[in-house]
Amino acid sequence: NAGVTQTPKFQVLKTGQSMTLQCAQDMNHEYMSWYRQDPGMGLRLIHYSVGAGITDQGEVPNGYNVSRSTTEDFPLRLLSAAPSQTSVYFCASSYGAGGSDTQYFGPGTRLTVL
Amino acid sequence: DQQVKQNSPSLSVQEGRISILNCDYTNSMFDYFLWYKKYPAEGPTFLISISSIKDKNEDGRFTVFLNKSAKHLSLHIVPSQPGDSAVYFCASGVTYGTASKLTFGTGTRLQVTL
Repeated sequence: NAGVTQTPKFQVLKTGQSMTLQCAQDMNHEYMSWYRQDPGMGLRLIHYSVGAGITDQGEVPNGYNVSRSTTEDFPLRLLSAAPSQTSVYFCASSYGAGGSDTQYFGPGTRLTVL
Repeated sequence: DQQVKQNSPSLSVQEGRISILNCDYTNSMFDYFLWYKKYPAEGPTFLISISSIKDKNEDGRFTVFLNKSAKHLSLHIVPSQPGDSAVYFCASGVTYGTASKLTFGTGTRLQVTL
């Protein structure tokens, strides 16, 4: 049981490039989400999904796309990277979508946009 | 508008003493509160939680206190151990919702010294 896995661990992009951050979980969790962590800002929700085929925006969705074609995978796409997207990105999953459902986080992807 | 605030960015405590981490929230709709612990280069891990119907929850060395009237919660670690050195995030959410939009604080870095 690997839990929540994220790839890559590190990535450097040039402004304007696109890329996809991968997230997978093997716990059969319905709820998955993406956060970004910036210094002095805590974790902010980017997008989330309550099940396959269902996604919605979080607090800071601009510049990011998501899709959820399977229960296991929830990729995050940067359409045209900007320096403001330099951050550490965490994917999380939980059994349910309620506030009391424990979220399990992946190890993070550290992204630098030059 | 920061709905969940951790006003102390860092805290240093001697081994064996009590560590007290504080968190304030402004949104009265929040009815579930959680603490996550994060080591460098790892994702946050769930530590302890409390529902708004309680004012205290204990788990071993960790106790969370909730003061609803003051919209304040605190995490007590007794006794503190060097392995407790990490960043602690408090998070708040709504138990029964269509999506677990947890709102995180900015974190408090705890250092437990020998």
